[in-house]
Amino acid sequence: DTEVTQTPKHLVMGMTNKKSLKCEQHMGHRAMYWYKQKAKKPPELMFVYSYEKLSINESVPSRFSPECPNSSLLNLHLHALQPEDSALYLCASSQVLAGVPAGELFFGEGSRLTVL
Amino acid sequence: DAKTTQPNSMESNEEEPVHLPCNHSTISGTDYIHWYRQLPSQGPEYVIHGLTSNVNNRMASLAIAEDRKSSTLILHRATLRDAAVYYCSQGAQKLVFGQGTRLTINP
Repeated sequence: DTEVTQTPKHLVMGMTNKKSLKCEQHMGHRAMYWYKQKAKKPPELMFVYSYEKLSINESVPSRFSPECPNSSLLNLHLHALQPEDSALYLCASSQVLAGVPAGELFFGEGSRLTVL
Repeated sequence: DAKTTQPNSMESNEEEPVHLPCNHSTISGTDYIHWYRQLPSQGPEYVIHGLTSNVNNRMASLAIAEDRKSSTLILHRATLRDAAVYYCSQGAQKLVFGQGTRLTINP
């Protein structure tokens, strides 16, 4: 099983809503990532988890709250978002080598978020 | 953050080789060079990576300059399914994508 599964595929929310994006992998990877991708731009790294602990936060606003409840699951909790947060949110996973997330990243197909 | 530079777009013909360049002007000695591609409506897909030596796999070849300041992704016989945005990147834990090259393949 080499898949990273993201749900929902599409999400529309208002600025006062609270919603969550979910990501699941069963490859035994111990590093998981959230990326944000705007149209016609490259993916931008948001967060990295290693062994269920947050290891990198790329100065992401607190209205995005990541959570890694176990080694297979990664959530992104959304609250009080702005229209400019509309984007494709990509989850990825990888091995941890010598204590550092490394190697090939396996990406999901993404969750397309629209904030009204 | 580590930065790479790539041409915005390239065009090639089906069944011909394609050479996609990337400059890694800020690369450090321990940074791996990675290439990913992204087809429409999909997440990025791993293509190949390397450190110093040239690398081959079933999808492509990676040629790395001796000073590691540049790399070239080589698709030996392009097909229509190779039309995608190709991203080069450098790093390890923190993989930062370049702006990408949009590759068009003509039948």
